[in-house]
Amino acid sequence: QSALTQPASVSGSPGQSITISCTGTSSDVGGYNYVSWYQQHPGKAPKLMIYDVSNRPSGVSNRFSGSKSGNTASLTISGLQAEDEADYYCRSYTSSSTWVFGGGTKLTVL
Amino acid sequence: EVQLLESGGGLAQPGGSLRLSCAASGFTFSSYAMSWVRQAPGKGLEWVSDIVDSGGSTYYADSVKGRFTISRDNSKNTLYLQMNSLRAEDTAVFYCGKCGSAGCQGIEYWGQGTLVTVSS
Repeated sequence: QSALTQPASVSGSPGQSITISCTGTSSDVGGYNYVSWYQQHPGKAPKLMIYDVSNRPSGVSNRFSGSKSGNTASLTISGLQAEDEADYYCRSYTSSSTWVFGGGTKLTVL
Repeated sequence: EVQLLESGGGLAQPGGSLRLSCAASGFTFSSYAMSWVRQAPGKGLEWVSDIVDSGGSTYYADSVKGRFTISRDNSKNTLYLQMNSLRAEDTAVFYCGKCGSAGCQGIEYWGQGTLVTVSS
């Protein structure tokens, strides 16, 4: 199972919005509404930000939102803040009853 | 407060074995599926294995199938990962995770990780 495709890096200024894409196939992202997104700060464990494409766990800021169109899922962060600078990973269920992560995207807040 | 504490990491030789443990507290362990995810140094996240709440079903990434075994002891609130036939490419921080109430669509809580180094 190949990793989902994410841009290596994205950047934005405080207050702006950014979107991170996550592209798979009809056997993973396109076939199931089981896409989740994780935030990871350096040296820390990942944190769940979005599950089931667009659902936010309790305690996650509503500045984070998720969506999906076809084989591509997206994470949008609005009102960028310095604390949002981190690595972000998408994950999807697959037709093989396994999970696959994206390669990760480094977000830089300028 | 949910807490997950991994242990058992360390240095192993190629072809060797290690058993990781994850002690869980702060929730009803026997009611949730659990997961192992690893991260090689400087690399991205890689899903390793899931186990359902009862322990009756397990799932593995192709990269570890046949070498790793996930299990749990609900009486001890502990998750395990038995790793055999270790390879250099298994070197990684291993995280245990608590899945959500509907399953592992989202890993809600993560441990701090335990480092496994495979080297001669």
